[in-house]
Amino acid sequence: QKEVEQDPGPLSVPEGAIVSLNCTYSNSAFQYFMWYRQYSRKGPELLMYTYSSGNKEDGRFTAQVDKSSKYISLFIRDSQPSDSATYLCAMSVGDGNNRLAFGKGNQVVVIP
Amino acid sequence: NAGVTQTPKFRILKIGQSMTLQCTQDMNHNYMYWYRQDPGMGLKLIYYSVGAGITDKGEVPNGYNVSRSTTEDFPLRLELAAPSQTSVYFCASSYPFTRTSGSTDTQYFGPGTRLTVL
Repeated sequence: QKEVEQDPGPLSVPEGAIVSLNCTYSNSAFQYFMWYRQYSRKGPELLMYTYSSGNKEDGRFTAQVDKSSKYISLFIRDSQPSDSATYLCAMSVGDGNNRLAFGKGNQVVVIP
Repeated sequence: NAGVTQTPKFRILKIGQSMTLQCTQDMNHNYMYWYRQDPGMGLKLIYYSVGAGITDKGEVPNGYNVSRSTTEDFPLRLELAAPSQTSVYFCASSYPFTRTSGSTDTQYFGPGTRLTVL
């Protein structure tokens, strides 16, 4: 079983829809959870960073972590064509070696 | 502040050739990383370094070598290029994470190098 599972299937939504992305993981030691956004032919950039279980909101983006289920989610409200990108989840133990475990990424296309 | 820069942006190699992918960061980060990204496969760690003079293997190190003589630079060397090394290569850097320092595991990525081996 891979440490982080993220269904890489592409997702197409109409502008204004809610985008829902998720990852599951197997390592219960993970405590820090991230979502990276990667535009086509660019490097990934950090979008959201959360610690332990709970919700974090930043504008139209909400990150949720459920450690009991080993499940994290990213929601994008009122999606815009500029949100079209690949979204990668990442997580770490926080033991100082800074090793991140990445999901495979979800390609999201927001159709105007 | 340029962040993480990578050169070249694109390169085509013939089988058996060698090359060095350059990576430089100006954020004074101790930690640096090399990843490769294949379509639909996410990011795979090739090598990483926790400081000048210290490097270690990631999950896919075969066919690659690295060195870290300065804090800023972390070049990746491909010897005897093979078609299986066709990929997009990303360099990243970060501060060392500690719970008390307030820093995070956030890694900052460069724009990538697209390599094709024919």
